[in-house]
Amino acid sequence: NAGVMQNPRHLVRRRGQEARLRCSPMKGHSHVYWYRQLPEEGLKFMVYLQKENIIDESGMPKERFSAEFPKEGPSILRIQQVVRGDSAAYFCASSPPITGNTEAFFGQGTRLTVV
Amino acid sequence: GEDVEQSLFLSVREGDSSVINCTYTDSSSTYLYWYKQEPGAGLQLLTYIFSNMDMKQDQRLTVLLNKKDKHLSLRIADTQTGDSAIYFCAESSYSGSARQLTFGSGTQLTVLP
Repeated sequence: NAGVMQNPRHLVRRRGQEARLRCSPMKGHSHVYWYRQLPEEGLKFMVYLQKENIIDESGMPKERFSAEFPKEGPSILRIQQVVRGDSAAYFCASSPPITGNTEAFFGQGTRLTVV
Repeated sequence: GEDVEQSLFLSVREGDSSVINCTYTDSSSTYLYWYKQEPGAGLQLLTYIFSNMDMKQDQRLTVLLNKKDKHLSLRIADTQTGDSAIYFCAESSYSGSARQLTFGSGTQLTVLP
């Protein structure tokens, strides 16, 4: 039973380029969460998605950032026109449908470096 | 808004007990978690406690929750060098259908031989 898979593990982009980060949730998990970890800080919630639905995007920057979780395929976090301040580790977590067990499993993260 | 605070660093000698502390502000917190992050890796869930519990023990790990003071601690007995990592405290108030976690900044635990 593979865990949450994120790719790529490391991504380098020049300022102004687009970054696309992928997350495949654990088997049977229909809920996906994206978090951002700036250097020497804790993780900050960005967005919560279910298949084909954005449930809560209260942590997403208003511009340049978007997320999707299509019916088929992985969840994608897209950052357009990246800037140096976007350099961070981006973590995806997944969980099964909410039943009372609240455990969310995290992937190993994508480390984005903007040069 | 919610806030979770932790001390940044802790050093202990191998074999001693480690106690990592955390305070939170959200009185509606339902679950409180401890995650471990090793260098270059993702987060590993160590344990969690429901807000109506005072204590939870799991092998070398003991979690204590003082809901009145909004204080959470993680005790690691017989600390080993492999326990060196960053430990994050997190809380979830589980409002509506969104289960987002609020994390502290992490405590860097260094285990000295």
